[in-house]
Amino acid sequence: KAGVTQTPRYLIKTRGQQVTLSCSPISGHRSVSWYQQTPGQGLQFLFEYFSETQRNKGNFPGRFSGRQFSNSRSEMNVSTLELGDSALYLCASSRGGEDGGNIQYFGAGTRLSVL
Amino acid sequence: AQSVTQLGSHVSVSEGALVLLRCNYSSSVPPYLFWYVQYPNQGLQLLLKYTTGATLVKGINGFEAEFKKSETSFHLTKPSAHMSDAAEYFCAVSPNQAGTALIFGKGTTLSVSS
Repeated sequence: KAGVTQTPRYLIKTRGQQVTLSCSPISGHRSVSWYQQTPGQGLQFLFEYFSETQRNKGNFPGRFSGRQFSNSRSEMNVSTLELGDSALYLCASSRGGEDGGNIQYFGAGTRLSVL
Repeated sequence: AQSVTQLGSHVSVSEGALVLLRCNYSSSVPPYLFWYVQYPNQGLQLLLKYTTGATLVKGINGFEAEFKKSETSFHLTKPSAHMSDAAEYFCAVSPNQAGTALIFGKGTTLSVSS
């Protein structure tokens, strides 16, 4: 069974640009979550999509947005990039049902550098 | 609001020694608790999870954790460290029934010396 796939693995952008990251979940998983990992702030939850609807949202500005398609694949978009957006962005997928403690499986991440 | 505190950003042990990584959580409801490991340039891999039931949880690679409600702790242990255990370890809590929207601790880097 294929794992969670994130593309691209590395990105270099300049301030003010926008970027789109992609995540393909494990087959059969309906929930996709996005996390930002930085040395200073650690791992922080951005948002979760379940069956094409945003189900949970973290405390990030509106420049960070996402969406999920009918095949459960998800994209995350960051507009008007700032230097502080440089981070490893991790995607995680799970079955997503509310039956307690679903396991989230993580992709290898996309490392975004903003110059 | 729920939160997770990992005591010790860096733990060093000798190969064969006991590994103890500490995690305390705050939660107003019964939590779903997780331990993840991250190797360099990789994503997170689940070691174990606590939902309900038995308070001693066994995970992969010989790790286990004990849920202690009275102490709001979920410490991770391994009886004998191996060089391959060197990595960063994260404790996390989920505030919802789906086990998503994880709140992570700051992480503990485990070093293992021969």
